[in-house]
Amino acid sequence: KNEVEQSPQNLTAQEGEFITINCSYSVGISALHWLQQHPGGGIVSLFMLSSGKKKHGRLIATINIQEKHSSLHITASHPRDSAVYICAVARNFGNEKLTFGTGTRLTIIP
Amino acid sequence: KAGVTQTPRYLIKTRGQQVTLSCSPISGHRSVSWYQQTPGQGLQFLFEYFSETQRNKGNFPGRFSGRQFSNSRSEMNVSTLELGDSALYLCASSWTSGRAGYNEQFFGPGTRLTVL
Repeated sequence: KNEVEQSPQNLTAQEGEFITINCSYSVGISALHWLQQHPGGGIVSLFMLSSGKKKHGRLIATINIQEKHSSLHITASHPRDSAVYICAVARNFGNEKLTFGTGTRLTIIP
Repeated sequence: KAGVTQTPRYLIKTRGQQVTLSCSPISGHRSVSWYQQTPGQGLQFLFEYFSETQRNKGNFPGRFSGRQFSNSRSEMNVSTLELGDSALYLCASSWTSGRAGYNEQFFGPGTRLTVL
């Protein structure tokens, strides 16, 4: 079993819909990243969380440390949100080593 | 402040050759980590360097090596290339004092390596 599990693997939605992507992990962590990767490669960190909730524009990320679970929400989704979203965790005592989920491919249809 | 830069962006090599990739971290960042991304295995941690020392290592064969210079720039080398080494290689930098604990990483654009 992978240490970091994401769901769903693929998600197609209509423009304007509310999107939720989930990440569960099985190890103790010091931080969790939500990353975005558009076709062509580059990875951008959307959020880094160690507790609670963060919001940036239409994106919201939450984490529940006790339940070892995090969610990424996108409100009023737009075709430009189409990308792969990857959850990555930094394990306790692991310093900068990140362990990644397999990613969620999101497609927003106009 | 300039972001993390990686050179070259694209590279084509043949089996058996070796390759060196370069990563320049954000100014002031002293930790550089390397990751490999393939369609089959996803993103995997290769190694991390801090203050010219390898601090952490992933589960990759000895053909994969790296180093860090005094200006924090880092290189990774893959010797005796195999077809399966075709991947996107990403580096990420972070500011760290060197104490244990995680510091937010910032990713470069990656080097896409194709092995023929």
